[in-house]
Amino acid sequence: SQKIEQNSEALNIQEGKTATLTCNYTNYSPAYLQWYRQDPGRGPVFLLLIRENEKEKRKERLKVTFDTTLKQSLFHITASQPADSATYLCALDPSGNTPLVFGKGTRLSVIA
Amino acid sequence: GAVVSQHPSWVICKSGTSVKIECRSLDFQATTMFWYRQFPKQSLMLMATSNEGSKATYEQGVEKDKFLINHASLTLSTLTVTSAHPEDSSFYICSARPGTVYNEQFFGPGTRLTVL
Repeated sequence: SQKIEQNSEALNIQEGKTATLTCNYTNYSPAYLQWYRQDPGRGPVFLLLIRENEKEKRKERLKVTFDTTLKQSLFHITASQPADSATYLCALDPSGNTPLVFGKGTRLSVIA
Repeated sequence: GAVVSQHPSWVICKSGTSVKIECRSLDFQATTMFWYRQFPKQSLMLMATSNEGSKATYEQGVEKDKFLINHASLTLSTLTVTSAHPEDSSFYICSARPGTVYNEQFFGPGTRLTVL
């Protein structure tokens, strides 16, 4: 069956450290993958999109990698801050024009 | 970025009543909108895909007669929960896609529905 998994349900790190979140998928060959941030009681907010021909993408303190051989994306937040505490969701579009499929998310807590 | 609004942000209703939730794209036209529901500490579960001017496509297990979706214009989609029951209590989130391919989805802030 097709699955998208985010390995850690929760991740606690110290302020200033780099947080690394993992997203793995099976039985998909997505053309691109997306990462979203969701705060409690709010809708997801788009962060980054990375295409299959891009190995890495950066936006300020965020970095995403996409390894289509491993079927894995890594999401990094450098110099993490307590304000980065939220749930981070990875999502992919199975065929390029279909609804996004979401992972369950990783709840990140950055401790001051 | 593009803005999607939802109204109401929260609603409490009695069992057996119907509730309508509106989803609007404020600064772009969305030919496709999506409706999700989310239970506590769970991921978003797609309920249906709404296309302007045509019938919605429902995911397996979602009752189309219970969750009525209308996408009357390129900026408005509505979800009506008919004859709501306590098990329908959830967080309902809509999203809109500006284009058709390789575009991110923009999400509304969500609507918390509580059925007593």
